[in-house]
Amino acid sequence: GAVVSQHPSWVICKSGTSVKIECRSLDFQATTMFWYRQFPKQSLMLMATSNEGSKATYEQGVEKDKFLINHASLTLSTLTVTSAHPEDSSFYICSAPPTSGSYNEQFFGPGTRLTVL
Amino acid sequence: AQRVTQPEKLLSVFKGAPVELKCNYSYSGSPELFWYVQYSRQRLQLLLRHISRESIKGFTADLNKGETSFHLKKPFAQEEDSAMYYCALAPPGRRALTFGSGTRLQVQP
Repeated sequence: GAVVSQHPSWVICKSGTSVKIECRSLDFQATTMFWYRQFPKQSLMLMATSNEGSKATYEQGVEKDKFLINHASLTLSTLTVTSAHPEDSSFYICSAPPTSGSYNEQFFGPGTRLTVL
Repeated sequence: AQRVTQPEKLLSVFKGAPVELKCNYSYSGSPELFWYVQYSRQRLQLLLRHISRESIKGFTADLNKGETSFHLKKPFAQEEDSAMYYCALAPPGRRALTFGSGTRLQVQP
């Protein structure tokens, strides 16, 4: 089956630094990828839609200057948390629907746990 | 705006008992509904979707538009069914998902 990877799986950083999280589709192409955020014991909340070759689409309330998204290729999207603060600590999950195949079939990455000290 | 509600945070049953995980949604239209499952230490994966009308691992879910519900059912729970279950919605033509808060199913021996 299709596999989506994320790197790193966990990261600890100091307040004020920037952190980059990668999301890769390993064996399929994805023109669109999604970034979700999950707080402890809460549900996944859609942050933004990453579009290959164009700007990301952010959900209401998500700061685009804080959460920079770059969809560099058909297999890679990156989320950069800029000037991270402790309240940005969360579990970040990406998903990717294959460009070909069932329209609403999505594959999820394993997630990245970010802890900001 | 769309919303997905899973009223139960935890559902504990004994092996062999029937299971029903509740999901209600609000959306002014005809969305696509899904159930996703997350086993311990694994990533989220699709269990089933309403348009397929399929049964996966003995689970079924019927979309009730009148009650705006998409409850997940299994007649006889197995210990390996223990996991976190999320109900999700996607508006027509969109792939981004709105998730419910999830229900943890514990199947005791």
